[in-house]
Amino acid sequence: DGGITQSPKYLFRKEGQNVTLSCEQNLNHDAMYWYRQDPGQGLRLIYYSQIVNDFQKGDIAEGYSVSREKKESFPLTVTSAQKNPTAFYLCASSAGTSGRANHEQYFGPGTRLTVT
Amino acid sequence: AQKVTQAQTEISVVEKEDVTLDCVYETRDTTYYLFWYKQPPSGELVFLIRRNSFDEQNEISGRYSWNFQKSTSSFNFTITASQVVDSAVYFCALSETLTGGGNKLTFGTGTQLKVEL
Repeated sequence: DGGITQSPKYLFRKEGQNVTLSCEQNLNHDAMYWYRQDPGQGLRLIYYSQIVNDFQKGDIAEGYSVSREKKESFPLTVTSAQKNPTAFYLCASSAGTSGRANHEQYFGPGTRLTVT
Repeated sequence: AQKVTQAQTEISVVEKEDVTLDCVYETRDTTYYLFWYKQPPSGELVFLIRRNSFDEQNEISGRYSWNFQKSTSSFNFTITASQVVDSAVYFCALSETLTGGGNKLTFGTGTQLKVEL
């Protein structure tokens, strides 16, 4: 089955620890994205990547880091510098080539991170 | 800056009622795309529809229909004869092209739809 997998579904960490969220896709999509969702709010873009070995900051990149060493993988690290890391994190991918904005994004099941 | 407004935070209906979810957007782009996504309790966003700015035809897919009006910058979503399984949060989103390809989606805050028996 083609799709996006995120693991784990629930993640608990102590304050001050870095944590890495996994995102893998087998849709052969070029573009991948990380969003954060807080209760009662829409999704906000953290980072995105159009091609391997390249990524760009989104609207709320502070306290986060990413890598894109393989086309199918786009892990997100939530660092201790992120002031309010508890949230629901969603990974997405899209075909997104040739500057066309019409490609819908497909989302993974999400990871709910709780930091105490 | 782009903006998407979903003024209805929560809507409750009884099964078989029709319900319309409102979406108003702001953009300076002349070409853009609009989307609707459904987020059931499981959390995963499910793509429902994409419309482009130069095609104002309304669209119907089963019990779902969409009304795109460029003059009022609105892209409303109607569910006919609602069912309990329609209960979810629905997001409207607006795209902009990113440098190097791909697109960025600006989401509204979502409308929680509750369909009761």
